[in-house]
Amino acid sequence: EAGVTQFPSHSVIEKGQTVTLRCDPISGHDNLYWYRRVMGKEIKFLLHFVKESKQDESGMPNNRFLAERTGGTYSTLKVQPAELEDSGVYFCASSPSGKTEAFFGQGTRLTVV
Amino acid sequence: QKEVEQNSGPLSVPEGAIASLNCTYSDRGSQSFFWYRQYSGKSPELIMFIYSNGDKEDGRFTAQLNKASQYVSLLIRDSQPSDSATYLCAVGAGRRALTFGSGTRLQVQP
Repeated sequence: EAGVTQFPSHSVIEKGQTVTLRCDPISGHDNLYWYRRVMGKEIKFLLHFVKESKQDESGMPNNRFLAERTGGTYSTLKVQPAELEDSGVYFCASSPSGKTEAFFGQGTRLTVV
Repeated sequence: QKEVEQNSGPLSVPEGAIASLNCTYSDRGSQSFFWYRQYSGKSPELIMFIYSNGDKEDGRFTAQLNKASQYVSLLIRDSQPSDSATYLCAVGAGRRALTFGSGTRLQVQP
């Protein structure tokens, strides 16, 4: 069974540009989470989907971040326009319905220059 | 005060020793507790979870939970150099997403 996969693994963009990150959760997992780790800090929660619905988006830093999960399968996280402080590793995780044991993808390392 | 606190380390132990990793949390409503292992540049890997007070053993790993003291620990017996990694403590409450500590770096010396 495939694990959580994320694309791209690395992205370097200029300030002001747009970047879209993609996450494919483990098949059948209703819960999908986005987290971010900024250099030297702990992993911080961004957003939680249950199927296609946003269960909790309290961790989204501002309205430059937009997450979608059309059809309740894969999810995208768009940053537009990107700022320097958006640099970090963006992790996606998924878990089955009713479970909180989350399995992580390998992350997307975003660098905004 | 951070919601989940861990000593950043590094914690250095000799090969074959017991490594003891500790974590405290502030939310008394927390119900689920997880330990993830993260090798440098890799994704966090779930290695243990515990929901009830007491000990839970899985192979060389034992998770210990004390809700009254808001304390959870991970013991690694017979530590191996391959156990060298950062260990992340994560805490959950209900259906809320997990809250992570900043991690403890473990170094197992051959």
